[in-house]
Amino acid sequence: DAGVIQSPRHEVTEMGQEVTLRCKPISGHDYLFWYRQTMMRGLELLIYFNNNVPIDDSGMPEDRFSAKMPNASFSTLKIQPSEPRDSAVYFCASSYSGLSDTQYFGPGTRLTVL
Amino acid sequence: GENVEQHPSTLSVQEGDSAVIKCTYSDSASNYFPWYKQELGKGPQLIIDIRSNVGEKKDQRIAVTLNKTAKHFSLHITETQPEDSAVYFCAAYNFNKFYFGSGTKLNVKP
Repeated sequence: DAGVIQSPRHEVTEMGQEVTLRCKPISGHDYLFWYRQTMMRGLELLIYFNNNVPIDDSGMPEDRFSAKMPNASFSTLKIQPSEPRDSAVYFCASSYSGLSDTQYFGPGTRLTVL
Repeated sequence: GENVEQHPSTLSVQEGDSAVIKCTYSDSASNYFPWYKQELGKGPQLIIDIRSNVGEKKDQRIAVTLNKTAKHFSLHITETQPEDSAVYFCAAYNFNKFYFGSGTKLNVKP
């Protein structure tokens, strides 16, 4: 398997623009997670899905953030409108059976909002 | 919620020496404690984990110990090699919540 795939790897945008990050989990994994990594706050769980259904979005920082999983092989994390403080590395991860199972992380998307 | 503290933030060792990274947690309900290794420009990768019904687990040069009474767990790397240089994160899980420590940058000097 190719592992968790994320795109784009780098994104530079201007404040106020909409940003969409994409993730393809490992085939057969029922859980998908979105994380954000910053120097100040470290690694934070934003939201996770089980069988395409959002289970816990309590980590989503604001209403400007939204995530969807229309099918088992694709998820998006959208920021609208983007702000400079959203600059971070966003990771997608997947696992067979939840948070207490091995999570396989993608390479991340480095987002810079100018 | 859970509070996971990790120490030290940086650790420099000579190749062949041992390295120990420690984490404490606050919620006694936490029951799963993984350790992840993150290399530059990559996502974290699980290297070892331990559950609350076990006190120690070992995998070749890597071991993890858990003290539930004191609410702390540690990562031990023996015979360190330059390729062990990376950032290491501990984490704790309870009640469908997952919390990472702040990370330890390990530098193994050849």
